[in-house]
Amino acid sequence: QQKVQQSPESLIVPEGGMASLNCTFSDRNSQYFWWYRQHSGEGPKALMSIFSNGDKKEGRFTAHLNKASLHVSLHIKDSQPSDSALYFCADDTNAYKVIFGKGTHLHVLP
Amino acid sequence: EAAVTQSPRNKVTVTGGNVTLSCRQTNSHNYMYWYRQDTGHGLRLIHYSYGAGNLQIGDVPDGYKATRTTQEDFFLLLELASPSQTSLYFCASSDRGTGQLYFGEGSKLTVL
Repeated sequence: QQKVQQSPESLIVPEGGMASLNCTFSDRNSQYFWWYRQHSGEGPKALMSIFSNGDKKEGRFTAHLNKASLHVSLHIKDSQPSDSALYFCADDTNAYKVIFGKGTHLHVLP
Repeated sequence: EAAVTQSPRNKVTVTGGNVTLSCRQTNSHNYMYWYRQDTGHGLRLIHYSYGAGNLQIGDVPDGYKATRTTQEDFFLLLELASPSQTSLYFCASSDRGTGQLYFGEGSKLTVL
């Protein structure tokens, strides 16, 4: 069964620091991924998608995809306390059935 | 910004009770989804639909029914609620062109 594993479960970074979140997937046919962010008490919101090998940058956020190593990551530069949230990696390759990882709790300390 | 509205936001019922969670989207999206979120499990897909009258089974469908009455409205039904269904439920809609999911604010269900 197609799986998405996220690490670490929890991450603490200082304000202004770099946060790196990782995701591995099991299906070599997987090719389209989203990152979602969920603040406490809210529903998840899409951050960015990536489907090509390499990096994709949107502001302070950079997603990286390496299909050969079955790995996708999200890097947050200059982390802010408002970035504190639960982050999900999602495999959106198979139409209609998005597979989510269990999430990484990011805590940015002022 | 796409809008997905869920009701009720909080619900408490007893074992064996009947619960209906409602979801309305005003995005003109064809696809709608029901997920449950539990600590240690992330988001798990219960049911989804790609149009009025259509229903597809997700990954954790046992104990749940769903109905899509219009393009806008998607309902999740628990006819004999059990404590294991205590969870935070999210509805989402998507435009399959981009694949982006738009989530509601969630419905917290407690089954005593």
